[in-house]
Amino acid sequence: DAGVTQSPTHLIKTRGQQVTLRCSPKSGHDTVSWYQQALGQGPQFIFQYYEEEERQRGNFPDRFSGHQFPNYSSELNVNALLLGDSALYLCASSPPSWGPYTFGSGTRLTVV
Amino acid sequence: KQEVTQIPAALSVPEGENLVLNCSFTDSAIYNLQWFRQDPGKGLTSLLLIQSSQREQTSGRLNASLDKSSGRSTLYIAASQPGDSATYLCAVPPETSGSRLTFGEGTQLTVNP
Repeated sequence: DAGVTQSPTHLIKTRGQQVTLRCSPKSGHDTVSWYQQALGQGPQFIFQYYEEEERQRGNFPDRFSGHQFPNYSSELNVNALLLGDSALYLCASSPPSWGPYTFGSGTRLTVV
Repeated sequence: KQEVTQIPAALSVPEGENLVLNCSFTDSAIYNLQWFRQDPGKGLTSLLLIQSSQREQTSGRLNASLDKSSGRSTLYIAASQPGDSATYLCAVPPETSGSRLTFGEGTQLTVNP
């Protein structure tokens, strides 16, 4: 049973560019959340998708947007990249019954 | 606003020692509490989840306790091994929805052979 799959593993972008990160949830999970983790800090909640809609959003600017597809997979888009967007981006999925979260291995984004 | 604090920030112990990691949270209205392990540059691995109505959970050499009213949880690791070296994170979602997780900054554990 595959867990949460994220792609790509690593990414290097230039300031001002746009990036799309992808996530496939664990089988049986319908809710996908995205987190940003700066070096040495705990993950920070970006937003959560359920039934193809954004259900909750953390304190992140509108440059961060997302999408959930009918098969529950999700994308995180970041526009107008800043140096400060460099971080590990984690995707987490959970089942309908608010069971334990399962995290992917993350995408390491470096903005230069 | 929920705030989660983990103490200590870093811990170095010799192999075989029993140890306790601490997690405190300011808002006791939580749905559950989850402990994670993170290896350098990697994603999070779930270790234990304690429902808000439970007092503790055990998995192998790990035991997590929860005192919801006082806003505290501990993760006890018995007979530590070098392979336990990692950052340990605790996280809580709000009671109303069990959705977004608020994380502490983690305890970086090093177990020396």
